[in-house]
This record gives sequence, structure tokens and C-alpha cells, in this order.
Amino acid sequence: SQTIHQWPATLVQPVGSPLSLECTVEGTSNPNLYWYRQAAGRGLQLLFYSVGIGQISSEVPQNLSASRPQDRQFILSSKKLLLSDSGFYLCAWSVPSSGAKKLFFGSGTQLSVL
Amino acid sequence: EDQVTQSPEALRLQEGESSSLNCSYTVSGLRGLFWYRQDPGKGPEFLFTLYSAGEEKEKERLKATLTKKESFLHITAPKPEDSATYLCAVQAPLIQGAQKLVFGQGTRLTINP
Repeated sequence: SQTIHQWPATLVQPVGSPLSLECTVEGTSNPNLYWYRQAAGRGLQLLFYSVGIGQISSEVPQNLSASRPQDRQFILSSKKLLLSDSGFYLCAWSVPSSGAKKLFFGSGTQLSVL
Repeated sequence: EDQVTQSPEALRLQEGESSSLNCSYTVSGLRGLFWYRQDPGKGPEFLFTLYSAGEEKEKERLKATLTKKESFLHITAPKPEDSATYLCAVQAPLIQGAQKLVFGQGTRLTINP
């Protein structure tokens, strides 16, 4: 069966510090991978998606970047965090498909930038 | 622009008191509508996918229905363990083969014993 791992669960970082969040998927090959952010009281916002190694697409301009160094590994990064980067970050995966397929989410990382 | 609006924002019910959550959507060609459950501090957990108007799906005390403009999540005789935030999402046009789900803000459901 497929599983998705996301860490750390909680992170408190000062403004201006770097960020690295990691996500790995097991039990499937060539998944589509996603990073979402959930701000308090708001819906999930798609930040990045990837359909293959090294292929990253950004949905919104921001202070963050993403990388996919391996087939089942997805990393969210920042060189210098801003207060507005605080939020709940979720990694997700789906099977590649031309139809509507559900997303499977990780357990999330609560990021507080102080 | 694809949009999803959920109502109410929050709902408190007594155990056993049935109710419905609403999800209104506008999308250029619906490919799928999804319902998720999210517990505090956790990632969303998949509940249902609906593909066309008139479709219904059930799971325990939950039933999801779909029309051309909205979806309902009916909760029958809820229990305290049904307390969670329920998220609705629609599948926007695919982007390079990747799924783009547009989410509503969610309905925070509390079931009091």
C-alpha cells in the first residue's frame, strides 16, 4: 500500500532564516506531487506541483521554491522566511491520470515564523 | 475562475441530530467533486468523489449528493467522533497531467454528546 511521509510536524523559525520541508511517498512510482498551504480560516492553496523528477511548476508567486530530486521525494524550501510564510503546509500525491483522481495528503507541517 | 464556497462556516449539532453541509461551485466543466474530512493538526482524509449530477455516495453516517451547481454532505444521526472540518474541492482543468483541486474554506462541524 502507498504511504506518504512528511516532516517535521511542527517548526518554529525566526524571520530571515532558511526553510526545508521534506516529503516522501512509498509504494508507488512516478506519482504527481503537490505542496499546499492552509492559512488559518482559509482553504487549501496549491503552491507547487510536479509531474516528474526535476519538473516543478508554481501556481502563485511567493518566497518559496520546490524541488524534486528523486521520483518520490518533494522538498519545499525558502532562503529567507517571512512572517507571511506561517501556515500549515501539506504535501500530497496522486496517480498520473487524464481523469479526476483524488489526492492523498501527508500529515502536514505547522510552520510558525516569528 | 473556478470557485468553491462552503456553508455554513461552522455548525454545532447535538448527537443524533441530522443535518447537511453545502458546497456551491463554479467550474468550467466539472471533472470531479471531492469531499475530505480534516481533523485538527492533520492532513485531509479522502471521503468521496462525485463525477456527475445525480450521483450519490454513502459511507457510514455520511451521504454525498451532487447537482449541477452544488453538492451536499448529509450527516445522519451523527456521533461526537464525526466532529471535524469537512472540505469540498472541485477538479479544475488538468495542468500537464497533474490534478488541480480548488478547495472551499471548509465547514467546521462539532457534535456535542
